[in-house]
Amino acid sequence: AQSVAQPEDQVNVAEGNPLTVKCTYSVSGNPYLFWYVQYPNRGLQFLLKYITGDNLVKGSYGFEAEFNKSQTSFHLKKPSALVSDSALYFCAVRDWRNAGKSTFGDGTTLTVKP
Amino acid sequence: KAGVTQTPRYLIKTRGQQVTLSCSPISGHRSVSWYQQTPGQGLQFLFEYFSETQRNKGNFPGRFSGRQFSNSRSEMNVSTLELGDSALYLCASSLAGGQADTQYFGPGTRLTVL
Repeated sequence: AQSVAQPEDQVNVAEGNPLTVKCTYSVSGNPYLFWYVQYPNRGLQFLLKYITGDNLVKGSYGFEAEFNKSQTSFHLKKPSALVSDSALYFCAVRDWRNAGKSTFGDGTTLTVKP
Repeated sequence: KAGVTQTPRYLIKTRGQQVTLSCSPISGHRSVSWYQQTPGQGLQFLFEYFSETQRNKGNFPGRFSGRQFSNSRSEMNVSTLELGDSALYLCASSLAGGQADTQYFGPGTRLTVL
């Protein structure tokens, strides 16, 4: 069965500093990995995805993620954090056997302080 | 393109009642998935519809059901509501529900059961 772990419930960074939100996954076969962001009382917004190819994936709002097959990780990164990046971040994995189903991690709350 | 829309945005019901939630996918998207989001359980997959057929189902009781219409719009129904059904219900659409397809989420319907 597919699964995702986000080991940190909370990440705190200062504005202008780099940020990393961690994600590890378990899936049979090739992984299809996604990052989403959720603001209060809103749905999930797609940030980026890894399907195949380059291990460094670039996405929306200056975010990028690094895929590491040997460590089964897909960490979200941003070189310089903004206060407006403060939100709840979810990592998700898809499995070819489960049409239309994403399995999500528990989420990481990112707080960027001015 | 217009995004995924969900109606209503907020609902208050009492135990034992039933409720119907609606989701209109992005134009051209044929796969619609439903998720339940709660503080304790996180994001849980309910079911996925493609071309009016349920292709995948999560681990929820039979009180939770859904359907999809020929224009890809989808509804989900919860009968005999319980207090534990209070949650944010999210709908997501994608082109065909394949593992590489990005799911785009609506703003959600906040259901409160009293």
